[in-house]
Amino acid sequence: QVQLQESGPGLVKPSGTLSLTCGVSGGSMISSNWWSWVRQPPGRGLEWIGDVYHTGDTNYNPSLKSRVTVSVDKSKNLFSLRLTSVTAADSAVYYCARSLGLGDFDTWGQGTLVTVSS
Amino acid sequence: QSALTQPASVSGSPGQSITISCTGSSSDIGDSYYVSWYQQHPDKAPKLMIYEVTNRPSGVSNRFSGSKSGNTASLTISGLQAEDEADYYCTSYTGRTTVVFGGGTKLTVL
Repeated sequence: QVQLQESGPGLVKPSGTLSLTCGVSGGSMISSNWWSWVRQPPGRGLEWIGDVYHTGDTNYNPSLKSRVTVSVDKSKNLFSLRLTSVTAADSAVYYCARSLGLGDFDTWGQGTLVTVSS
Repeated sequence: QSALTQPASVSGSPGQSITISCTGSSSDIGDSYYVSWYQQHPDKAPKLMIYEVTNRPSGVSNRFSGSKSGNTASLTISGLQAEDEADYYCTSYTGRTTVVFGGGTKLTVL
């Protein structure tokens, strides 16, 4: 059974870059699945950030597209999120998830809280 | 893309049925077979409860069911139980290869 685990800094300075990785265990990333990032500001709802296929193809939320990069490293069985020019509004729990690329996220990581603050 | 519209809260007594609506547009729910529903307990990751409008993943109780009419999708929970108290989110895949979430609904079991 596939398991996902987020890792990365819990604190990022304003105007800096948020970088997270998601380790995939229990299965191969070379499949029909897309590998996604979803975030949730404290006390608020979920927001889809973007996803990547094992070929490197990506899709992004239009509202974040100019600042987001999602990439995959099949050799290490992980995928990554990079969000530039962060502000306090980017403070959230960031989840990585697996889907068929159709909004059906069937496996989730436990989530990691990232706070943007000086 | 705009978030899908869900009621902020719904409530019901144990044993009753409740329905949570999720309203979008002709660009998302109205034009998609790919509507999903998630359950999220406090400080936990979301859990997939319904996918492709009506399908339940293995292990999800048949008390949960989904439907769609026009631009509105619905999640119905029958035989409410205390453990159903959680936040519920809908999503829709859009024709522009993006995913949009609903704002979330807090279910209270009275």
